[in-house]
Amino acid sequence: GQNIDQPTEMTATEGAIVQINCTYQTSGFNGLFWYQQHAGEAPTFLSYNVLDGLEEKGRFSSFLSRSKGYSYLLLKELQMKDSASYLCAAFNNAGNMLTFGGGTRLMVKP
Amino acid sequence: GAGVSQTPSNKVTEKGKYVELRCDPISGHTALYWYRQSLGQGPEFLIYFQGTGAADDSGLPNDRFFAVRPEGSVSTLKIQRTERGDSAVYLCASSQVRGTGELFFGEGSRLTVL
Repeated sequence: GQNIDQPTEMTATEGAIVQINCTYQTSGFNGLFWYQQHAGEAPTFLSYNVLDGLEEKGRFSSFLSRSKGYSYLLLKELQMKDSASYLCAAFNNAGNMLTFGGGTRLMVKP
Repeated sequence: GAGVSQTPSNKVTEKGKYVELRCDPISGHTALYWYRQSLGQGPEFLIYFQGTGAADDSGLPNDRFFAVRPEGSVSTLKIQRTERGDSAVYLCASSQVRGTGELFFGEGSRLTVL
């Protein structure tokens, strides 16, 4: 099975940088994903890491260390619209099940 | 269609009743997933289809839950003898090929069992 842990809530200030951590334990692993979900809306894809290292995409970056079972999502130049839940998810070896963590609810304050 | 479409968006039913939730994936997407999400929780995997067949149904909580995708496009999640604990948002997602991880989610069907 797969177990994914991430903080429940975080608060940050507009314009700042925030890092959301995720640790995972899986019986098989085929990639780590981050999704964003605004309240009452569907999750939307943010990033994908399958190899160790940092993937940068605009204000968002995601890091993966497979040996440590660890990932983080880095959000720069925070905007009020970034207030949302951020879901860490791992794909199993067969590539047919994406298991989500409980999500980290980020509140961006002025 | 332009995105994943789910109907109904809201369903209120009484304990013990039967419900069907429909998902119309993005045209051409062969992989289809059903997830269930309770308030404040992450989505919980229920079942995965590749084409018409259920490739992995290990997430279905019990035999009251069943899903079909007879023509490899539209899928229906069926819940028999609903219980209050079934109340949640049921999310459907599709992807172009198996194993990409970039799932496109619908807006969900909010089920409330009274």
